[in-house]
Amino acid sequence: EAGVVQSPRYKIIEKKQPVAFWCNPISGHNTLYWYLQNLGQGPELLIRYENEEAVDDSQLPKDRFSAERLKGVDSTLKIQPAELGDSAVYLCASSLVGQNRNEQFFGPGTRLTVL
Amino acid sequence: KQEVTQIPAALSVPEGENLVLNCSFTDSAIYNLQWFRQDPGKGLTSLLLIQSSQREQTSGRLNASLDKSSGRSTLYIAASQPGDSATYLCAVFTGNQFYFGTGTSLTVIP
Repeated sequence: EAGVVQSPRYKIIEKKQPVAFWCNPISGHNTLYWYLQNLGQGPELLIRYENEEAVDDSQLPKDRFSAERLKGVDSTLKIQPAELGDSAVYLCASSLVGQNRNEQFFGPGTRLTVL
Repeated sequence: KQEVTQIPAALSVPEGENLVLNCSFTDSAIYNLQWFRQDPGKGLTSLLLIQSSQREQTSGRLNASLDKSSGRSTLYIAASQPGDSATYLCAVFTGNQFYFGTGTSLTVIP
């Protein structure tokens, strides 16, 4: 079974430029999460989708960040314009909420460097 | 708001030693607790998941326990190996959100 797929793995951009990250969750998983992880810290939730609905986006900086999950499968996270402080690892995870375990599985992440 | 703490932040042990990593959380109303491993530059790999009704889970040399009433979980690693060197994170699931600790960075010295 394929795991959570993310692309690109690395991205270097100049500040004020736009950037987009893509995530394909595990097949059949109805819940998708985008996290931000700074060095030495645990992941922090940006947005959570259940199917195609964003059910928790309270931590998403909506002035510059946006996300979509069309058809309730893969998802895109966008930053426009990027700032220096956005340099971090962006992690995508998925789970099957409603099952007994609700175990979360992560992709490899996208390391963003804003110059 | 749920807060998750992991102590120590870093741990260094000689190969072969048994060790315990700690995770504490402030709100006992959790659905489950999950332990992850993260290698440098990589994503998180799920190690063990304990449901709120369970006391422990085992996988190979790993054993995770859960004491929900006291807000604590431990990850026991037996006979540590250099390949166990990584950052270990715990996360609690409240039914709608996961809360992560900051992790314990483990180094196993050959």
